[in-house]
Amino acid sequence: EIVLTQSPGTLSLSPGERATLSCRASQSVSSSYLAWYQQKPGQAPRLLISGASSRATGIPDRFSGSGSGTAFTLTISRLEPEDFAVYYCQQYGSSPVYTFGQGTKLEIK
Amino acid sequence: EVQLVESGEGLVQPGGSLRLSCAASGFTFSSYSMHWVRQAPGKGLEYVSGISSNGGSTYYADSVKGRFTISRDNSKNTLYLQMGSLRAEDMAVYYCARGRGYCSGGSCYYYFDYWGQGTLVTVSS
Repeated sequence: EIVLTQSPGTLSLSPGERATLSCRASQSVSSSYLAWYQQKPGQAPRLLISGASSRATGIPDRFSGSGSGTAFTLTISRLEPEDFAVYYCQQYGSSPVYTFGQGTKLEIK
Repeated sequence: EVQLVESGEGLVQPGGSLRLSCAASGFTFSSYSMHWVRQAPGKGLEYVSGISSNGGSTYYADSVKGRFTISRDNSKNTLYLQMGSLRAEDMAVYYCARGRGYCSGGSCYYYFDYWGQGTLVTVSS
């Protein structure tokens, strides 16, 4: 089973700043099958990124994903108030057990 | 508009059973794999189970294998999760999610593009 480790656990930033979230895998994620989700309190997760770097429909271009192998990054170029949430990465290259990272909480400083 | 609506929320004693349902609309249900993901209170996301578009293949996390059964009724656009031998650690919000991706050579690669609002399963005596 591929274990995903996200860092930092909590990131405190101000609106307008740039956020960089990391997701590291215990072994290489084949074909960059890595997705990112955003979850706000009391809500279901929302898909942001698939294939490590492809934005989902309707996701603003301030969100971008990058990386390959064992190291992946979600970048939010300029934080908006609605971006403060918990972010999860998920690998789907290791069938059929799809694993999630433990999450990074992005909070307002 | 894609909609996934879970139902079946309940309080169950340890060792008991419960069936969750997920009613889908706004897309061709029979064309997509479907999955269950859970989230224990205050915790992260955990993949539970998945089923192929025609129901011919099913997938389970080791933590639920042998206790949970996933199924679907494409004529009713509904996904199910039959949960048995429930344990305290099964207590969570259960989300159904639509799978996107593909299968090749016996392996399947899915991420989840739409999620339901979740239904709470409480396991307690």
